[in-house]
Amino acid sequence: DAGVIQSPRHEVTEMGQEVTLRCKPISGHDYLFWYRQTMMRGLELLIYFNNNVPIDDSGMPEDRFSAKMPNASFSTLKIQPSEPRDSAVYFCASSRGAGVNNEQFFGPGTRLTVL
Amino acid sequence: AQKVTQAQTEISVVEKEDVTLDCVYETRDTTYYLFWYKQPPSGELVFLIRRNSFDEQNEISGRYSWNFQKSTSSFNFTITASQVVDSAVYFCALSWTGGGNKLTFGTGTQLKVEL
Repeated sequence: DAGVIQSPRHEVTEMGQEVTLRCKPISGHDYLFWYRQTMMRGLELLIYFNNNVPIDDSGMPEDRFSAKMPNASFSTLKIQPSEPRDSAVYFCASSRGAGVNNEQFFGPGTRLTVL
Repeated sequence: AQKVTQAQTEISVVEKEDVTLDCVYETRDTTYYLFWYKQPPSGELVFLIRRNSFDEQNEISGRYSWNFQKSTSSFNFTITASQVVDSAVYFCALSWTGGGNKLTFGTGTQLKVEL
């Protein structure tokens, strides 16, 4: 079975440009999470969805960030306009079921560099 | 507030040595889950283990073992007879009933196993 798929794997862009990161969760998983990993802040949850509905976006840093999940097999994280401090690895993860015991399966991540 | 502390930033050992990675957590919830994830140099996050707050039995899986002690709020991870392939960053994480499906991660411990 395919795991969580993320694209692109690497993205280099210039400050002010729009960036869109994509994620395909594992089939059958009803929770989807977006995380950001930086040296300074470690792994932090940005937003998560349940059955395509955003449940908690309290980790989204500011209005420049937005996330959507139009269907069960696709989600996007958009940054507009991008800034150098957005440079990080962005992970998408998915899990099945509502229990807090359910492990999250992570994608390979997208390494974003904003110049 | 929920918090996970991994005080060891980096550990270096020689192959075949045993090594223990420490994890201390804070939560007011009585029902919670603890996780360990491995992040090898390739960057993906790999689930290793899950343990619930009502089960303090230690667990062993091959060379890996975990020691959960509620009295000290710790969930330590031991690798026996370490190998070079164990070199990675290891993250401890916490989920709790009041937090939905959110995971709070520690800052990670970089383990380097040398020949």
